[in-house]
Amino acid sequence: AQSVTQLDSHVSVSEGTPVLLRCNYSSSYSPSLFWYVQHPNKGLQLLLKYTSAATLVKGINGFEAEFKKSETSFHLTKPSAHMRDAAEYFCVVSYNTDKLIFGTGTRLQVFP
Amino acid sequence: EAQVTQNPRYLITVTGKKLTVTCSQNMNHEYMSWYRQDPGLGLRQIYYSMNVEVTDKGDVPEGYKVSRKEKRNFPLILESPSPNQTSLYFCASIQRGGQETQYFGPGTRLLVL
Repeated sequence: AQSVTQLDSHVSVSEGTPVLLRCNYSSSYSPSLFWYVQHPNKGLQLLLKYTSAATLVKGINGFEAEFKKSETSFHLTKPSAHMRDAAEYFCVVSYNTDKLIFGTGTRLQVFP
Repeated sequence: EAQVTQNPRYLITVTGKKLTVTCSQNMNHEYMSWYRQDPGLGLRQIYYSMNVEVTDKGDVPEGYKVSRKEKRNFPLILESPSPNQTSLYFCASIQRGGQETQYFGPGTRLLVL
């Protein structure tokens, strides 16, 4: 079955330290992969997407993600966290259809 | 401005009282869908529509209906709401066939008492 797994439900970091949010997907065939962010009481905002071009994808707000086919992973990283990065992050996969399959989300807390 | 709009944004209702949440997009997209978001479960697809008069069930369709009479509108209908349909609902649209981004509406928070 097609699925996506976010390995951590909560991640806490100090401001200025690196962020790593982990995501693995099931490998049926070439997926499109996305990261969305949802700030408290807000809608969904696209951070970045991978659609079979460069494996390292740069997104907004300093985030980037690397597609690793051998590991079926698409982890989200940022070199230095800001307080405003505190939000819920969703890893999302699409397999040659228009349907999006969402992970269960990772809540990022950033401490001063 | 390209956007997906939903109304109402917040709704409190009682069990069994029919309600409709509207969704409209101004991008001439063919594909639209509805998701519900629940804590710890992410977003799950309720129904989707690949074009006018073409709709199909997603992963959690029970208790919901949809219609697609016009390309821009895709209302979600709860004929007899129950408390387990208390959730945050998102409408989304995308142009089929490409690798375009899905556009999401701002969400509708529903509480069924």
